Amino acid sequence: DAGVIQSPRHEVTEMGQEVTLRCKPISGHNSLFWYRQTMMRGLELLIYFNNNVPIDDSGMPEDRFSAKMPNASFSTLKIQPSEPRDSAVYFCASSSPLAGVNNEQFFGPGTRLTVL
Amino acid sequence: SQKIEQNSEALNIQEGKTATLTCNYTNYSPAYLQWYRQDPGRGPVFLLLIRENEKEKRKERLKVTFDTTLKQSLFHITASQPADSATYLCALDKGGGNKLTFGTGTQLKVEL
Repeated sequence: DAGVIQSPRHEVTEMGQEVTLRCKPISGHNSLFWYRQTMMRGLELLIYFNNNVPIDDSGMPEDRFSAKMPNASFSTLKIQPSEPRDSAVYFCASSSPLAGVNNEQFFGPGTRLTVL
Repeated sequence: SQKIEQNSEALNIQEGKTATLTCNYTNYSPAYLQWYRQDPGRGPVFLLLIRENEKEKRKERLKVTFDTTLKQSLFHITASQPADSATYLCALDKGGGNKLTFGTGTQLKVEL
């Protein structure tokens, strides 16, 4: 398996533009997580899905952020409009209670977002 | 409010020594605690999980302890190697692994 796939790996955009980050979880995993990592705040959970259904979005910072999971193999995180303070590395992770006894999360390589 | 604290300063040790990293938490009652390793430019990678009813867990050169009275976990790497240099994150959940709260991580550097 290729692991969790994220695209793009790097994104540079201007303030006010719409940004869409994409994630393909590991096949067979039924939980998907979006995180944001910054030096100041560390790794923060934004939202997670179970079986394609959003379960907890309490970490989504503002209405400018939205996430969807239209099927088991694809999810998007959208920021509209983007602001410089959204600059961070965004990680997608997936997990499955069947994947291992530890129910660990498998992270993608991340998308480094820079908003100018 | 709930808080997880890890050594904010980098830890530098000599090759062959034991590295000990600390994770303290407040206002949590986690069912278990996980440790992850993160290399620059990469996502975190799971290392070990320890449950609330376990005192210690080992995996090769890694050892994790969990003291729910002190609200602390210690992560040890014995016979450390330069390849162990990375940032180590602790993460707490309340069961089910669906919602993890991560510490800010401790950067470890193992020098020759």
